[in-house]
Amino acid sequence: GESVGLHLPTLSVQEGDNSIINCAYSNSASDYFIWYKQESGKGPQFIIDIRSNMDKRQGQRVTVLLNKTVKHLSLQIAATQPGDSAVYFCAENSGTYKYIFGTGTRLKVLA
Amino acid sequence: DAGVTQSPTHLIKTRGQHVTLRCSPISGHKSVSWYQQVLGQGPQFIFQYYEKEERGRGNFPDRFSARQFPNYSSELNVNALLLGDSALYLCASSDLAGGHYEQYFGPGTRLTVT
Repeated sequence: GESVGLHLPTLSVQEGDNSIINCAYSNSASDYFIWYKQESGKGPQFIIDIRSNMDKRQGQRVTVLLNKTVKHLSLQIAATQPGDSAVYFCAENSGTYKYIFGTGTRLKVLA
Repeated sequence: DAGVTQSPTHLIKTRGQHVTLRCSPISGHKSVSWYQQVLGQGPQFIFQYYEKEERGRGNFPDRFSARQFPNYSSELNVNALLLGDSALYLCASSDLAGGHYEQYFGPGTRLTVT
């Protein structure tokens, strides 16, 4: 299938280690954020979201941290597995109709 | 439950031609958004439709148009295709318009313009 993000920054982690993917967002008025996972040849898949009245939210093996002061978002994946290999995007919304996506980070899980 | 579906999966067109891409949202969802994803970049917003009305438009030329049907499915039309229109076109559905709602994406249509 098609490859997504051939020239994206890449994070390589050992299987079983924790991964941290970072995202700097652009609009200080953004108040809702989503992390998406995109595998080759597929559309983005929703992972976890967070609203601006929170600074941390946990899901199954994933945690999103939000620092509004420096407009920074991070996605932490615990015990990274080979199936986590994909391109990860953060998306921000300021209460309007459109989401603005970051440039993406490719996560490679090493066996 | 079926997710967001898009057709066709792949399409090859020649410069100057016209193309129509189709999207069916998740059952019960009334909002459809279209995004263009060029290789190596994140998706870029093109349109949002809610209850058959355009609610928002991104920075795309008038060659791009869309519509939403009474069953909430949607079409994206692109006229006078350029080489730079080659991209993955993604459709996303949600049950409400505006922000603060989860969007669910389809698999996309890969358009190649030669």
